[in-house]
Amino acid sequence: EDKVVQSPLSLVVHEGDTVTLNCSYEVTNFRSLLWYKQEKKAPTFLFMLTSSGIEKKSGRLSSILDKKELFSILNITATQTGDSAVYLCAVEVQGGTSYGKLTFGQGTILTVHP
Amino acid sequence: NAGVMQNPRHLVRRRGQEARLRCSPMKGHSHVYWYRQLPEEGLKFMVYLQKENIIDESGMPKERFSAEFPKEGPSILRIQQVVRGDSAAYFCASSPNRQTGTEAFFGQGTRLTVV
Repeated sequence: EDKVVQSPLSLVVHEGDTVTLNCSYEVTNFRSLLWYKQEKKAPTFLFMLTSSGIEKKSGRLSSILDKKELFSILNITATQTGDSAVYLCAVEVQGGTSYGKLTFGQGTILTVHP
Repeated sequence: NAGVMQNPRHLVRRRGQEARLRCSPMKGHSHVYWYRQLPEEGLKFMVYLQKENIIDESGMPKERFSAEFPKEGPSILRIQQVVRGDSAAYFCASSPNRQTGTEAFFGQGTRLTVV
């Protein structure tokens, strides 16, 4: 069975801190790994990673994938209170009828205090 | 992602009643995925549909749950004879093709509460 595990499950920091969120996976027919931010509503897309070692950046957020060790990290620098959310990692598989199906981790709850 | 419309946003049902959750995909999207999020858990895949076809229902409970995506109109997730354990947030995602990736957009979700 496909499995995605995130750590830590929750994290409390102060504004300005840097955080690293972890995601490890065990899936068959890996296609891509995606990060989402969820703030009490729809998950919003952050990054999609398909190749090892290539960092994706968007402002203060960055992410990288290691396909050999089967994990990804999401970094947030200079955190702000608006970064408080649940961060979800998901793996997309390919092949057969499972094409496009996402397997999600349980999420990391990030709380940023002023 | 505001383009994927789910309704209702909140639904309260008594045990034994039926719940119908609707999802209108973004314009031009013919692939719909339903996910369930139980309290304190991540999203779990339920079913993948294309117009008039169920492609993968491996995440659907065997009983009481059904889904459809007719040629015209929204996709419907139907839960018969609801029980307390069905209380969860149900999210729908749509994409224009089979490759979810960056092109899947999630709706706001329907929060089902069974009392």
